[in-house]
Order: sequence, then C-alpha cells, then structure tokens
Amino acid sequence: KNQVEQSPQSLIILEGKNCTLQCNYTVSPFSNLRWYKQDTGRGPVSLTIMTFSENTKSNGRYTATLDADTKQSSLHITASQLSDSASYICVVSATTSGTYKYIFGTGTRLKVLA
Amino acid sequence: DARVTQTPRHKVTEMGQEVTMRCQPILGHNTVFWYRQTMMQGLELLAYFRNRAPLDDSGMPKDRFSAEMPDATLATLKIQPSEPRDSAVYFCASGLVGHSGNTIYFGEGSWLTVV
Repeated sequence: KNQVEQSPQSLIILEGKNCTLQCNYTVSPFSNLRWYKQDTGRGPVSLTIMTFSENTKSNGRYTATLDADTKQSSLHITASQLSDSASYICVVSATTSGTYKYIFGTGTRLKVLA
Repeated sequence: DARVTQTPRHKVTEMGQEVTMRCQPILGHNTVFWYRQTMMQGLELLAYFRNRAPLDDSGMPKDRFSAEMPDATLATLKIQPSEPRDSAVYFCASGLVGHSGNTIYFGEGSWLTVV
C-alpha cells in the first residue's frame, strides 16, 4: 500500500535554531518527492522536488535529502525564523503508464518561537 | 505573476444546497487537480485532469461530487447535495506534469462550511 508518513507530527523550536523533519514512504513505482510549506490559511507552496537520482536539494535555508534505498527523505531548516512557522508536507508521486499518483503525508506543524 | 485562482474563497451554505467551486489554472499547465483538506485527514486528492480529460477521480464521492473542465481556463467542482461532512478547504492545483521539475502550484483554497 502506498503510504507517506511524516514525523514529528508537531515541533516547537526557538528562533535561530535548526530542525529536521522526516518523511518515510512506501510508494512504488517512485517518480519524485516534493516538500511543500503551507502557511495557515494559505495553499501549499513548493519548496523542493527531487527525483530518484537526486540526494540533496537546497532552497535557501531549506535543504532536502533523499535516500531512495531506505525510502526516506528529510527537510532541514537552518537558522529558523518566525516566518518558518507553518505545516510542511511531504508528497511522493508514483507513475504508471503515464498516470500519476500523488500520496500526501499528513504534515509536520512547525512553530518557531521568538 | 502566474497563479491558480479559486472562487469563492469562502462559502457557508445550508445542508442540501448545491455548491460549485471554480478554478482558473495557470495558463499553459496541462494538469489540474482538486484536493480537499481537513484537520483530520490532511490533503486528499479528489480528482485530476490531464489536457482537460479526467484521469483519476477515485478519491471523489461519486454520488454527490462531480468535477469538470469545460475549457482549458476553467475547472469546476460541484457538490450536490452538500452535507456537513463536506466542510473543508478545497484546493485546486495545476502543473505541467510530465516535464522535468514539474512543480504543482496550489490556489489559495475555497473554504466551505456546510451547516
């Protein structure tokens, strides 16, 4: 069964600290993995997209890693800011004969405190 | 700045009423998605279209939900009759799927409350 599990469910950190969010998946056949940031009351915004051959991808203070062997991904946030407070959603897509399946994790709610 | 546009942003309706949500995808995108988000379930894919043709609507309750794409600039999601359990945020998203770096862009959502 295709599943995406994220941990932790929620996280509180102090401004300036680093944090790492986890995403484990059992999706086959794997196509790509995306991390989205969703501010409260807004639509999700793409942070990174990674294909099978990519191990690391950065977007500013956000760095995503992918281990296709263990089917794990992480999103590392460096020097957190108050504006990083949001939900972070991992999405894994599978493709079969041109049809895409998108499996969403339930997200990690991050709160950054001053 | 290209973006996915959804209307209405907020809707409160009585149980049994018909609700229609509209979406204008980003020009040139070949794939349009409808998602529903609740606190309990997170984001669920309801249906999606490729080049206006429905590809997958297995996530959508067929008895009351219908999704259409009458032209390349408009996608609709209709609920008839609506029920309180349909209360959620409905997101439309579009993307140029099948191409490298195929980012999917989300609209700001239609917040539906059925009382």
